[in-house]
Amino acid sequence: AQTVTQSQPEMSVQEAETVTLSCTYDTSESDYYLFWYKQPPSRQMILVIRQEAYKQQNATENRFSVNFQKAAKSFSLKISDSQLGDAAMYFCAYRSATGATNKLIFGTGTLLAVQP
Amino acid sequence: DVKVTQSSRYLVKRTGEKVFLECVQDMDHENMFWYRQDPGLGLRLIYFSYDVKMKEKGDIPEGYSVSREKKERFSLILESASTNQTSMYLCASSIYPGPISYEQYFGPGTRLTVT
Repeated sequence: AQTVTQSQPEMSVQEAETVTLSCTYDTSESDYYLFWYKQPPSRQMILVIRQEAYKQQNATENRFSVNFQKAAKSFSLKISDSQLGDAAMYFCAYRSATGATNKLIFGTGTLLAVQP
Repeated sequence: DVKVTQSSRYLVKRTGEKVFLECVQDMDHENMFWYRQDPGLGLRLIYFSYDVKMKEKGDIPEGYSVSREKKERFSLILESASTNQTSMYLCASSIYPGPISYEQYFGPGTRLTVT
Protein backbone atom coordinates (compact mmCIF):
# COMPACT_ATOMS: atom_id res chain seq x y z
CA ALA A 1 0.00 0.00 0.00
CA GLN A 2 1.11 3.50 -0.71
CA THR A 3 1.97 5.87 2.11
CA VAL A 4 2.75 9.58 2.30
CA THR A 5 4.92 11.06 5.06
CA GLN A 6 5.27 14.68 6.08
CA SER A 7 7.89 14.82 8.80
CA GLN A 8 7.48 18.50 9.70
CA PRO A 9 4.30 19.05 11.74
CA GLU A 10 4.98 22.80 11.94
CA MET A 11 7.15 25.29 10.10
CA SER A 12 7.66 29.01 10.34
CA VAL A 13 8.97 31.52 7.82
CA GLN A 14 9.50 35.27 7.75
CA GLU A 15 7.49 37.25 5.27
CA ALA A 16 9.29 37.60 1.91
CA GLU A 17 11.61 34.67 2.62
CA THR A 18 11.65 31.17 1.17
CA VAL A 19 10.51 28.00 2.89
CA THR A 20 10.57 24.35 1.84
CA LEU A 21 8.07 21.77 3.04
CA SER A 22 9.09 18.14 2.86
CA CYS A 23 7.15 15.13 1.68
CA THR A 24 8.22 11.56 1.04
CA TYR A 25 6.11 8.71 -0.22
CA ASP A 26 6.34 5.01 -0.65
CA THR A 27 5.01 3.17 -3.68
CA SER A 28 5.92 0.31 -5.95
CA GLU A 29 4.18 1.94 -8.89
CA SER A 30 6.02 3.79 -11.63
CA ASP A 31 3.18 6.00 -12.79
CA TYR A 32 1.34 8.28 -10.40
CA TYR A 33 0.49 11.86 -9.55
CA LEU A 34 1.56 14.00 -6.62
CA PHE A 35 -0.19 17.04 -5.22
CA TRP A 36 0.20 19.78 -2.66
CA TYR A 37 -3.03 21.07 -1.15
CA LYS A 38 -3.41 24.16 1.02
CA GLN A 39 -5.97 24.51 3.80
CA PRO A 40 -6.13 28.10 5.14
CA PRO A 41 -7.62 28.62 8.59
CA SER A 42 -11.40 28.09 8.46
CA ARG A 43 -11.35 27.97 4.67
CA GLN A 44 -11.68 25.35 2.00
CA MET A 45 -8.80 23.19 0.89
CA ILE A 46 -7.45 24.15 -2.52
CA LEU A 47 -4.94 22.62 -4.89
CA VAL A 48 -1.59 24.41 -4.97
CA ILE A 49 0.41 22.37 -7.44
CA ARG A 50 0.50 18.98 -9.12
CA GLN A 51 3.23 16.79 -10.60
CA GLU A 52 2.95 13.87 -12.97
CA ALA A 53 5.52 11.21 -12.17
CA TYR A 54 6.37 10.62 -15.83
CA LYS A 55 7.46 14.23 -16.19
CA GLN A 56 11.05 14.96 -15.22
CA GLN A 57 10.53 18.70 -15.15
CA ASN A 58 9.54 20.09 -11.79
CA ALA A 59 6.15 21.80 -11.68
CA THR A 60 5.94 25.52 -10.98
CA GLU A 61 2.97 27.76 -10.21
CA ASN A 62 3.99 31.37 -9.62
CA ARG A 63 5.76 31.46 -6.23
CA PHE A 64 5.23 27.75 -5.65
CA SER A 65 7.52 25.10 -7.05
CA VAL A 66 8.33 21.51 -6.31
CA ASN A 67 11.49 19.47 -6.16
CA PHE A 68 10.44 16.04 -7.41
CA GLN A 69 13.03 13.33 -6.88
CA LYS A 70 11.46 10.14 -8.22
CA ALA A 71 14.26 7.77 -7.26
CA ALA A 72 14.33 9.12 -3.73
CA LYS A 73 10.51 9.26 -3.61
CA SER A 74 10.65 12.81 -2.42
CA PHE A 75 8.32 15.67 -3.33
CA SER A 76 9.08 18.94 -1.54
CA LEU A 77 7.24 22.23 -1.92
CA LYS A 78 9.14 25.49 -2.09
CA ILE A 79 7.34 28.75 -1.40
CA SER A 80 9.27 31.82 -2.49
CA ASP A 81 8.65 35.38 -1.31
CA SER A 82 6.33 34.12 1.43
CA GLN A 83 3.24 36.16 2.10
CA LEU A 84 0.95 36.36 5.11
CA GLY A 85 -1.75 34.67 3.05
CA ASP A 86 0.45 31.59 2.68
CA ALA A 87 -0.15 30.72 6.33
CA ALA A 88 -2.08 27.46 6.23
CA MET A 89 -1.95 23.72 6.68
CA TYR A 90 -0.28 22.08 3.69
CA PHE A 91 -0.99 18.50 2.69
CA CYS A 92 0.99 16.35 0.32
CA ALA A 93 -1.08 13.75 -1.56
CA TYR A 94 -0.52 10.80 -3.87
CA ARG A 95 -2.73 9.35 -6.57
CA SER A 96 -2.08 6.18 -8.49
CA ALA A 97 -2.28 6.50 -12.27
CA THR A 98 -4.03 3.15 -12.47
CA GLY A 99 -7.46 2.31 -11.21
CA ALA A 100 -10.86 3.69 -12.05
CA THR A 101 -11.24 6.10 -9.19
CA ASN A 102 -9.54 9.32 -8.27
CA LYS A 103 -8.53 8.21 -4.79
CA LEU A 104 -5.96 10.34 -2.97
CA ILE A 105 -3.66 9.33 -0.14
CA PHE A 106 -2.75 12.23 2.11
CA GLY A 107 0.11 12.95 4.45
CA THR A 108 -0.45 14.24 7.96
CA GLY A 109 0.11 17.86 7.04
CA THR A 110 2.51 20.70 7.84
CA LEU A 111 1.22 23.82 9.55
CA LEU A 112 3.01 26.83 8.10
CA ALA A 113 3.16 30.10 10.03
CA VAL A 114 4.28 33.29 8.29
CA GLN A 115 5.82 35.93 10.55
CA PRO A 116 5.46 39.59 9.55
CA ASP B 1 -16.05 27.90 -10.39
CA VAL B 2 -16.64 24.49 -8.94
CA LYS B 3 -18.66 24.66 -5.79
CA VAL B 4 -18.88 21.98 -3.15
CA THR B 5 -21.16 22.77 -0.24
CA GLN B 6 -21.79 20.98 3.00
CA SER B 7 -25.00 21.29 4.96
CA SER B 8 -23.49 22.45 8.25
CA ARG B 9 -20.22 24.04 9.37
CA TYR B 10 -20.71 23.00 12.98
CA LEU B 11 -22.83 20.22 14.42
CA VAL B 12 -23.28 18.93 17.96
CA LYS B 13 -24.94 15.57 18.47
CA ARG B 14 -25.46 13.16 21.33
CA THR B 15 -24.07 9.66 21.57
CA GLY B 16 -26.36 7.18 19.86
CA GLU B 17 -28.02 9.68 17.56
CA LYS B 18 -28.27 9.08 13.83
CA VAL B 19 -26.38 11.82 12.02
CA PHE B 20 -26.62 12.91 8.40
CA LEU B 21 -23.94 15.00 6.74
CA GLU B 22 -24.88 16.30 3.33
CA CYS B 23 -22.65 17.33 0.46
CA VAL B 24 -23.66 18.89 -2.84
CA GLN B 25 -21.52 19.71 -5.87
CA ASP B 26 -22.60 21.75 -8.84
CA MET B 27 -20.16 20.62 -11.53
CA ASP B 28 -21.66 17.31 -12.64
CA HIS B 29 -18.71 15.39 -11.19
CA GLU B 30 -18.85 11.62 -11.19
CA ASN B 31 -16.60 11.06 -8.18
CA MET B 32 -17.42 12.15 -4.66
CA PHE B 33 -15.55 11.49 -1.42
CA TRP B 34 -15.93 11.72 2.32
CA TYR B 35 -12.86 12.23 4.50
CA ARG B 36 -12.35 12.81 8.15
CA GLN B 37 -9.55 15.08 9.29
CA ASP B 38 -7.93 14.68 12.69
CA PRO B 39 -4.83 16.45 14.06
CA GLY B 40 -1.70 14.44 13.42
CA LEU B 41 -3.54 11.99 11.18
CA GLY B 42 -4.21 14.08 8.11
CA LEU B 43 -7.16 13.20 5.90
CA ARG B 44 -8.43 9.67 5.89
CA LEU B 45 -10.89 8.39 3.31
CA ILE B 46 -14.15 7.04 4.71
CA TYR B 47 -16.14 6.27 1.56
CA PHE B 48 -16.22 7.31 -2.05
CA SER B 49 -18.67 7.07 -4.89
CA TYR B 50 -17.88 6.91 -8.59
CA ASP B 51 -21.45 7.05 -9.85
CA VAL B 52 -25.01 7.33 -8.67
CA LYS B 53 -25.85 4.47 -6.30
CA MET B 54 -22.27 3.21 -6.56
CA LYS B 55 -20.02 3.36 -3.54
CA GLU B 56 -16.83 1.87 -2.21
CA LYS B 57 -15.30 1.71 1.21
CA GLY B 58 -12.28 3.80 1.92
CA ASP B 59 -9.73 3.25 4.63
CA ILE B 60 -11.92 3.81 7.70
CA PRO B 61 -15.55 2.90 6.85
CA GLU B 62 -16.46 1.37 10.20
CA GLY B 63 -19.36 3.14 11.85
CA TYR B 64 -20.31 5.02 8.68
CA SER B 65 -22.52 4.50 5.65
CA VAL B 66 -23.21 6.63 2.59
CA SER B 67 -25.95 7.34 0.13
CA ARG B 68 -25.83 8.72 -3.37
CA GLU B 69 -29.26 8.86 -4.94
CA LYS B 70 -28.48 11.79 -7.23
CA LYS B 71 -25.28 12.66 -8.99
CA GLU B 72 -24.82 15.98 -7.25
CA ARG B 73 -25.46 14.81 -3.67
CA PHE B 74 -23.45 12.50 -1.45
CA SER B 75 -24.53 11.88 2.13
CA LEU B 76 -22.51 10.50 5.01
CA ILE B 77 -24.49 8.72 7.70
CA LEU B 78 -23.42 7.92 11.22
CA GLU B 79 -25.93 5.25 12.23
CA SER B 80 -25.23 5.61 15.95
CA ALA B 81 -22.86 8.44 16.71
CA SER B 82 -20.06 7.82 19.17
CA THR B 83 -17.61 10.18 20.84
CA ASN B 84 -14.72 8.82 18.78
CA GLN B 85 -16.47 10.16 15.69
CA THR B 86 -15.93 13.72 16.87
CA SER B 87 -13.93 15.16 14.00
CA MET B 88 -13.84 17.46 10.98
CA TYR B 89 -15.56 15.90 7.98
CA LEU B 90 -14.61 17.00 4.49
CA CYS B 91 -16.46 16.26 1.29
CA ALA B 92 -14.76 16.42 -2.11
CA SER B 93 -15.62 15.81 -5.74
CA SER B 94 -13.74 15.25 -8.98
CA ILE B 95 -14.51 14.57 -12.59
CA TYR B 96 -13.86 11.18 -14.17
CA PRO B 97 -12.78 10.11 -16.64
CA GLY B 98 -11.00 13.29 -16.11
CA PRO B 99 -8.60 15.71 -17.56
CA ILE B 100 -5.05 15.06 -16.57
CA SER B 101 -5.28 17.02 -13.37
CA TYR B 102 -7.55 14.67 -11.41
CA GLU B 103 -7.99 17.54 -9.03
CA GLN B 104 -10.33 17.10 -6.09
CA TYR B 105 -12.49 20.04 -5.06
CA PHE B 106 -13.29 20.30 -1.38
CA GLY B 107 -16.18 21.59 0.63
CA PRO B 108 -15.71 23.84 3.68
CA GLY B 109 -15.99 20.97 6.15
CA THR B 110 -18.34 20.08 8.98
CA ARG B 111 -16.96 20.07 12.48
CA LEU B 112 -18.94 17.41 14.31
CA THR B 113 -18.89 17.08 18.07
CA VAL B 114 -20.49 14.04 19.67
CA THR B 115 -21.15 14.39 23.38
